[in-house]
Amino acid sequence: SQKIEQNSEALNIQEGKTATLTCNYTNYSPAYLQWYRQDPGRGPVFLLLIRENEKEKRKERLKVTFDTTLKQSLFHITASQPADSATYLCASGSARQLTFGSGTQLTVLP
Amino acid sequence: ETGVTQSPTHLIKTRGQQVTLRCSSQSGHNTVSWYQQALGQGPQFIFQYYREEENGRGNFPPRFSGLQFPNYSSELNVNALELDDSALYLCASSLAEKRGVGEQYFGPGTRLTVT
Repeated sequence: SQKIEQNSEALNIQEGKTATLTCNYTNYSPAYLQWYRQDPGRGPVFLLLIRENEKEKRKERLKVTFDTTLKQSLFHITASQPADSATYLCASGSARQLTFGSGTQLTVLP
Repeated sequence: ETGVTQSPTHLIKTRGQQVTLRCSSQSGHNTVSWYQQALGQGPQFIFQYYREEENGRGNFPPRFSGLQFPNYSSELNVNALELDDSALYLCASSLAEKRGVGEQYFGPGTRLTVT
């Protein structure tokens, strides 16, 4: 069955460093991947979408890569700030639904 | 903040009861999806509605049903509630795309507790 996995361990980094989060998928080839941010008690907020024919996408301090050979997407936040602390969700898309990973909780320490 | 609203914000029900959750989509969006999110997990797809018809369904039993109205508001109904139905229920609106599900605009969710 299709699986999408994120590192379930929380990630703690120092302010100003680059945070790198990993998303792996198995048993299928998604046409695209999406990344969302979720704060406690709130709905996810869309950040970036990357298609299978795109290697990399950037938006301000965010960068996403999509490696179809490794079946992996990496999500980077450069010059991280305490306000970036949240849970980040990866999701793969098919025609009619998104399949989400369990998310990685990021804490940026001042 | 997205333009997606959900009601109620919190709800407590007893096992065996029925519940209706409501969602108002972002203006201009023709597709609504519902997700169940257990604590510490990612959202799980329940179903999607497009132009008032169910357009895809995840691995949820028939006691989970929905409606989408002409004004693109929608409802999620759950019958015969079970303890495991306790979760955050999220609705998300989007514009249908030929190449699949576009970016989703999520509401704040309804926290359902079944006792």
